[in-house]
Amino acid sequence: KQEVTQIPAALSVPEGENLVLNCSFTDSAIYNLQWFRQDPGKGLTSLLLIQSSQREQTSGRLNASLDKSSGRSTLYIAASQPGDSATYLCAVMDSNYQLIWGAGTKLIIKP
Amino acid sequence: NAGVTQTPKFRVLKTGQSMTLLCAQDMNHEYMYWYRQDPGMGLRLIHYSVGEGTTAKGEVPDGYNVSRLKKQNFLLGLESAAPSQTSVYFCASSYLGARTEAFFGQGTRLTVV
Repeated sequence: KQEVTQIPAALSVPEGENLVLNCSFTDSAIYNLQWFRQDPGKGLTSLLLIQSSQREQTSGRLNASLDKSSGRSTLYIAASQPGDSATYLCAVMDSNYQLIWGAGTKLIIKP
Repeated sequence: NAGVTQTPKFRVLKTGQSMTLLCAQDMNHEYMYWYRQDPGMGLRLIHYSVGEGTTAKGEVPDGYNVSRLKKQNFLLGLESAAPSQTSVYFCASSYLGARTEAFFGQGTRLTVV
């Protein structure tokens, strides 16, 4: 059974720092991996989608990498800002076309 | 641009009551999903649909029913609510399932007392 783990569960850093969020999964048979952002009391916003054949995707200050063989993905946030404060969720699309989710990393960027 | 809209946003139910959550999307997406989110856990799939008139069970379907009579709407029903169904419910839709990104509604916070 596919399991997705995100470490750390919470992270607090000063504004301006570059940071890395981690996501690991137990079964490498995935179609894609997606990173989402969740703001309190709101829905989820898709940030990046990496197909299984890809190694990374970039959007603005965000860069996500995928190493399928080792079951790992990282989300790199450059020059962090207070507006980046949110919970970041990782999900993998498994062989049954279902998204399996991590519990998230709650990120706080201190001004 | 509405995207995915969920109603209601909040609801308190007594044990044994029934209710229906409505999800509507205006993006002509084929795939629609219902998830629940509980503290400290990842989202869990309740039911999903790959097109109008079709539904399928997800990871945690017990106690819930769904219907997809129209392509743009996906309804989640609780026939006899239980305290264990206290959760935040999210609806999502996507165009081609695995290959495309999913769009989410803002969630429904349900409390069963």
